[in-house]
Amino acid sequence: GAGVSQSPSNKVTEKGKDVELRCDPISGHTALYWYRQSLGQGLEFLIYFQGNSAPDKSGLPSDRFSAERTGGSVSTLTIQRTQQEDSAVYLCASSSLQGDKLFFGSGTQLSVL
Amino acid sequence: AQSVAQPEDQVNVAEGNPLTVKCTYSVSGNPYLFWYVQYPNRGLQFLLKYITGDNLVKGSYGFEAEFNKSQTSFHLKKPSALVSDSALYFCAVRGVTGGGNKLTFGTGTQLKVEL
Repeated sequence: GAGVSQSPSNKVTEKGKDVELRCDPISGHTALYWYRQSLGQGLEFLIYFQGNSAPDKSGLPSDRFSAERTGGSVSTLTIQRTQQEDSAVYLCASSSLQGDKLFFGSGTQLSVL
Repeated sequence: AQSVAQPEDQVNVAEGNPLTVKCTYSVSGNPYLFWYVQYPNRGLQFLLKYITGDNLVKGSYGFEAEFNKSQTSFHLKKPSALVSDSALYFCAVRGVTGGGNKLTFGTGTQLKVEL
């Protein structure tokens, strides 16, 4: 596609439910990032995928968070047993192997009630 | 561990005046440095980057940034601000060696340009 696509754009869920957030990166981009943006907290790194290498999961805040990237393209971020503190905008970004510039999607606004 | 500090939550400037948004960083070895901008209800957009070479980097929309290794700073500047520059600005750093490709962002600075 022309840009990074994220779905859904908004997600409202109840505490304790599981949610899946999807990211479709720019075609041909081998690097894919997930970040979380909370009010006043800036962008918090969650996880990074690069080609077929093992992902850098160092930013995942707890074992309730996981992510996968199938076929080197689409990625899914899963949050199990959601908590109110998980409410934030979840941003996905991709970049080409040689480039350093990240292209961001519009994000998924997650609200946990 | 790499980190970025944006000491000002908000910067206010009159249209036509020069603007500066401050950023300092900490990283092992040499840095790759970036500025991104987030306009209201829009995604994050790349503004400019420093990889190597000239310390003064020019980017989109008339913005520039100066890399200062001794002060570990990468302040964003523009000679003449526009109301349309009002947005949230993020500085980011990645180490050339170590830290993988993880890009660490600051907490952001809200720029408000008034008539």
